[in-house]
Amino acid sequence: AQSVTQLGSHVSVSEGALVLLRCNYSSSVPPYLFWYVQYPNQGLQLLLKYTTGATLVKGINGFEAEFKKSETSFHLTKPSAHMSDAAEYFCAVSEGTGNQFYFGTGTSLTVIP
Amino acid sequence: GAVVSQHPSWVICKSGTSVKIECRSLDFQATTMFWYRQFPKQSLMLMATSNEGSKATYEQGVEKDKFLINHASLTLSTLTVTSAHPEDSSFYICSARAGGNQETQYFGPGTRLLVL
Repeated sequence: AQSVTQLGSHVSVSEGALVLLRCNYSSSVPPYLFWYVQYPNQGLQLLLKYTTGATLVKGINGFEAEFKKSETSFHLTKPSAHMSDAAEYFCAVSEGTGNQFYFGTGTSLTVIP
Repeated sequence: GAVVSQHPSWVICKSGTSVKIECRSLDFQATTMFWYRQFPKQSLMLMATSNEGSKATYEQGVEKDKFLINHASLTLSTLTVTSAHPEDSSFYICSARAGGNQETQYFGPGTRLLVL
């Protein structure tokens, strides 16, 4: 069975500071991993994804994530937070093409001016 | 990128009425669409998976007779909440995945349903 754990339901950072949002997963097969961002009253926007190949994945808006198989992690980072980064972030895992997604419970990011 | 739309974005209805929500893939053909429900401050809960031309597969605990799903074409899936009650008030989000070896789901903007 697959599951996703996002440590920290709320994260606050100062503008310009490093953003680190944690995601750990469990999967019986090599996973596909995703990060989505959700702004208030909107749907989810894909930030980045890992399927195969390079374990460090770069996404939109300066975000990146690294797949670490030994740690079963896929943490999301951004070197310098912007006010516009304030949103809800969801990590998701699937077992490959054609399979459903399992979402984490989300992390709400607040950026302090 | 792939665009998914939902209509309506907001709906308020009386208890006992039925509400239909449309999900469209605008620039690609979606062989599979998913319907999620999201409560405030919570994650997405998968309700059902819809494949074009076949019956939807519902997740455990989701009443198929209450949440009717139709995926009549490769660009349109509909979710009908029948005999809606206040506890059905929620944010409903659809996503779509193209055919072939497409691993990414593209999400619609969501529909907020309020049942009075």
